Amino acid sequence: EADIYQTPRYLVIGTGKKITLECSQTMGHDKMYWYQQDPGMELHLIHYSYGVNSTEKGDLSSESTVSRIRTEHFPLTLESARPSHTSQYLCASSEYGGFSSGANVLTFGAGSRLTVL
Amino acid sequence: AQKITQTQPGMFVQEKEAVTLDCTYDTSDPSYGLFWYKQPSSGEMIFLIYQGSYDQQNATEGRYSLNFQKARKSANLVISASQLGDSAMYFCAMTPDTGGFKTIFGAGTRLFVKA
Repeated sequence: EADIYQTPRYLVIGTGKKITLECSQTMGHDKMYWYQQDPGMELHLIHYSYGVNSTEKGDLSSESTVSRIRTEHFPLTLESARPSHTSQYLCASSEYGGFSSGANVLTFGAGSRLTVL
Repeated sequence: AQKITQTQPGMFVQEKEAVTLDCTYDTSDPSYGLFWYKQPSSGEMIFLIYQGSYDQQNATEGRYSLNFQKARKSANLVISASQLGDSAMYFCAMTPDTGGFKTIFGAGTRLFVKA
């Protein structure tokens, strides 16, 4: 049973549309992340958050934005989608703790596969 | 710079045999965590095994073991007694000390298990 939920699973939209990818977790984790992954390729971190009202950009530049108003919710928004945004977006969360304890094990959602025409 | 390298884009293994997936990493941090994740064709990412940089013993989880060689900066995944359900992408990942617990991933290895 998933503890982190992403919606929609699949989305096909036209260029210029605004989209929001939802991500919610029920584990009370402080840290949440968004990764972008092209099919069969590595994951690239685009956003992360250490807690409420904390958001940072990741290593891969992205035109998307995120917010963290509640611990359990970490939505990602694209104001104007373009074909270059076509990809899979994976949301993840982890406990806030030292890596030596293994507390940074990531729990992933099922992903949102976005296609922009 | 922090980096994970997986040099095997694809691997084949016969069912019931063991297979080793290679992973090397680069970091200047004295402390870090190493992870392996599995991604089946359905797309979800599944945590398999964890190794802390200060752990003296190699991690094991059921059929999975992590061959950690700190001096060589390698963290290879060994899957024993392969099963058809092991066919998937496998990603090596690292959470270094600096950078605030951001986890970086390798490019992945696609494993095919043959009946």
